Formats: sequence, C-alpha cells, structure tokens
Amino acid sequence: SQQGEEDPQALSIQEGENATMNCSYKTSINNLQWYRQNSGRGLVHLILIRSNEREKHSGRLRVTLDTSKKSSSLLITASRAADTASYFCATVPTSGSRLTFGEGTQLTVNP
Amino acid sequence: EAGVAQSPRYKIIEKRQSVAFWCNPISGHATLYWYQQILGQGPKLLIQFQNNGVVDDSQLPKDRFSAERLKGVDSTLKIQPAKLEDSAVYLCASRRGSGGRWNEQFFGPGTRLTVL
Repeated sequence: SQQGEEDPQALSIQEGENATMNCSYKTSINNLQWYRQNSGRGLVHLILIRSNEREKHSGRLRVTLDTSKKSSSLLITASRAADTASYFCATVPTSGSRLTFGEGTQLTVNP
Repeated sequence: EAGVAQSPRYKIIEKRQSVAFWCNPISGHATLYWYQQILGQGPKLLIQFQNNGVVDDSQLPKDRFSAERLKGVDSTLKIQPAKLEDSAVYLCASRRGSGGRWNEQFFGPGTRLTVL
C-alpha cells in the first residue's frame, strides 16, 4: 500500500506563480524525498529532508517537514512551463530502507 | 556519467505470454531496484538487490515474477505468465551506497508494458 498521500491530486497555475504541494504519511520516517516525473526526463530526485530537519531549500524549491503532523510540503517558486510534471513524495521508514511513494500531484504550469 | 539504461522501452504482449526486461545500472552502484508503476499511481517497489543478493522482495508476486542480478551489475526482471493487470511501467533504479539510507536513487526511463 502507498505510504504518502499528496494533495492536491492536480494543480494548474500560470507561469511565475508559486506552486505548493502537500504530502501526508502514516508511519515514522527516517527521511522524506521529493521526486519529479515527466515524459522527457523520467523520474528525478529533487530533494531529501531528514526527520530531524524542518526546512530545506534547493534553488526554487523549498521543502518543509512536520513530523508531529506527519506531513511535508513542497513549494516551487516562480514556476516555469518546464516545471510541468508529476511530483511524488517518498518516505524511508525509521526501520528498513524501502522507499515508498505517494500517488503524486500533477502540476501544470501554463505559459 | 551515463544514466540507468533499460530495454526495451515499450512492449506489447498477449496475456499468458512471457516477457523480460533488462536494466544496466550506473557504474559502481551497488544497490539496484525494480519498481512497478501503474498509470496514475506512484512507483511500487518490487525487488531490491544489494550487489547480487536480494535485500527485499516482499512485494514481488513470486508466482509469476522473477528477477536476477548476475555478477552484481545488470539485472533482468521476468513475468511469466503475464496478466492484464501487469500492464504498467517497469522502472529500474540504482543507488551508489550499499549501506545507509541517505543516497538518492537514480531512475531509468522505464519499460512500458501493455498486456492485451
């Protein structure tokens, strides 16, 4: 069964706007990762945040993690048409090493 | 460095037929994964190898799916016989570390399987 649930399932915005995607999970985690998938480049790792971290930045990406609420958010600032893709959160549990993906958020950035 | 290679990219078969997928991970990556991604869902782990040993195959339908990683490099995933519900994209991924859980996974382009 899937560990994470992304919200919303689909998001459509205009170029230049910010996009926020949320992920909730069920069990205790060691780390949480965000991946992007599009037809051109396949599934690509974006960012990893450890359970003892609350926020992490990478370029236009900002990830937050709230372990008390078992949730994470991915913010993409100043979005571009090239950001159009599906975004998945994936968790690694405190015991074991299996990476478990959520259902994904389909982001469409309109030029 | 070259990425994860997979072949074929597309495969169409009839139900009850057999099919095999091939994966060549990034050079030097000790850990190799096979995932199944059904349309509209996230990838689901089928099997994880560390070098040529199986680490996790608890979600592999062993009555019809098999996988091997000879010499700790290339890997093959086989389905025999295929069912309609096996229609999916099969993704191979590799990771540099053999221990620890921090390293990111690098994914191949996938093989899109259609079972008719």
